Amino acid sequence: SAVISQKPSRDICQRGTSLTIQCQVDSQVTMMFWYRQQPGQSLTLIATANQGSEATYESGFVIDKFPISRPNLTFSTLTVSNMSPEDSSIYLCSFGQGVAQETQYFGPGTRLLVL
Amino acid sequence: QQQVKQSPQSLIVQKGGIPIINCAYENTAFDYFPWYQQFPGKGPALLIAIRPDVSEKKEGRFTISFNKSAKQFSLHIMDSQPGDSATYFCAAKGDSNSNSGYALNFGKGTSLLVTP
Repeated sequence: SAVISQKPSRDICQRGTSLTIQCQVDSQVTMMFWYRQQPGQSLTLIATANQGSEATYESGFVIDKFPISRPNLTFSTLTVSNMSPEDSSIYLCSFGQGVAQETQYFGPGTRLLVL
Repeated sequence: QQQVKQSPQSLIVQKGGIPIINCAYENTAFDYFPWYQQFPGKGPALLIAIRPDVSEKKEGRFTISFNKSAKQFSLHIMDSQPGDSATYFCAAKGDSNSNSGYALNFGKGTSLLVTP
């Protein structure tokens, strides 16, 4: 399957600042997804990014806090805005395969610590 | 609320043993059930997946057992090795309360340690 990478792999940020995470897939994919994995917890979908349209956010996540871009079929960014310590998590991007995009392959994640 | 309940939270087995991880769900609209393996510092990697029209699926040393009537499914790791030590997540997907319809609903994970 395609290779998926993320940058940065980790970062330590100050409260109130913003961080943009990049996700690159080495082949064209229809849907890309952004998940959050809080320490010791399961993964929760933040939003789905489809090229050429606005991202679809899941309940509890809003565009002002997590703006997403999807400029082409191989790339997406997630920005974590106005960060607080509660945003300290692992942020994972993935892409889907299959008619319903059910087979999802994940990137290595970005480990974010907010002080 | 947690759509998929996973147990146990942690598990220790000896090399060669068969760890079993269990998951339960309520939403009968779920129609795809994958298992992921995650090593420290890495993203989750898809191990094996099953659909509800099948009661068992094997891939190498990994087997999923699926009980549709009980709404439960489990992962068995045959002849476990120290290299299998990782966190395992079950998940479920279907027409749930996901706004996009694409969300994988993950369990909370099981930390597996296989001792030599």
